[in-house]
Amino acid sequence: GEDVEQSLFLSVREGDSSVINCTYTDSSSTYLYWYKQEPGAGLQLLTYIFSNMDMKQDQRLTVLLNKKDKHLSLRIADTQTGDSAIYFCAESGSSNTGKLIFGQGTTLQVKP
Amino acid sequence: EPEVTQTPSHQVTQMGQEVILRCVPISNHLYFYWYRQILGQKVEFLVSFYNNEISEKSEIFDDQFSVERPDGSNFTLKIRSTKLEDSAMYFCASNNPPGTGELFFGEGSRLTVL
Repeated sequence: GEDVEQSLFLSVREGDSSVINCTYTDSSSTYLYWYKQEPGAGLQLLTYIFSNMDMKQDQRLTVLLNKKDKHLSLRIADTQTGDSAIYFCAESGSSNTGKLIFGQGTTLQVKP
Repeated sequence: EPEVTQTPSHQVTQMGQEVILRCVPISNHLYFYWYRQILGQKVEFLVSFYNNEISEKSEIFDDQFSVERPDGSNFTLKIRSTKLEDSAMYFCASNNPPGTGELFFGEGSRLTVL
């Protein structure tokens, strides 16, 4: 079945780049997403990438998609303490109905 | 900026009791969803709802669960007879016809079943 996997924890120093990785199984997924969850808050969409793209850049965020390996990554440049949160990778599946398959989330800790 | 709101933020209930979690989706959205996250586990899809009926549901969404849009603004999730394993954070989400598929999530309702 559909599955999304992420590493659980990443620690970086303020100012460094963070790279959060994700693998997924459904090669027919139309969209892949990165959501951010801050403590006590809901899931906030950070960015998404359409499956026919291999890279998307949005200010400090760069998303790379390797469809062959079913690998998605999120790079945060110049990581700030305010970036500390849980980051979820999710795939839309082929039907794009709004049913998303989430990974277990990567906790990003940014040390000053 | 419009947002999805959920109440209550936290509910504690005894096993076997009925629970209703409430959501107010973004006003011009047509598709509504419930997801849940058991502590330490993945966020899981429960159900999607469109045009006053369930569009899709997961295996988790058994006969103990139901959803309703009782009026033009609220979207509710009812658990008829709660079990210990229903303890989780429940997220409501909404969006408009698929497009990019972006879901707008509420802050969640934490349910604790004792």
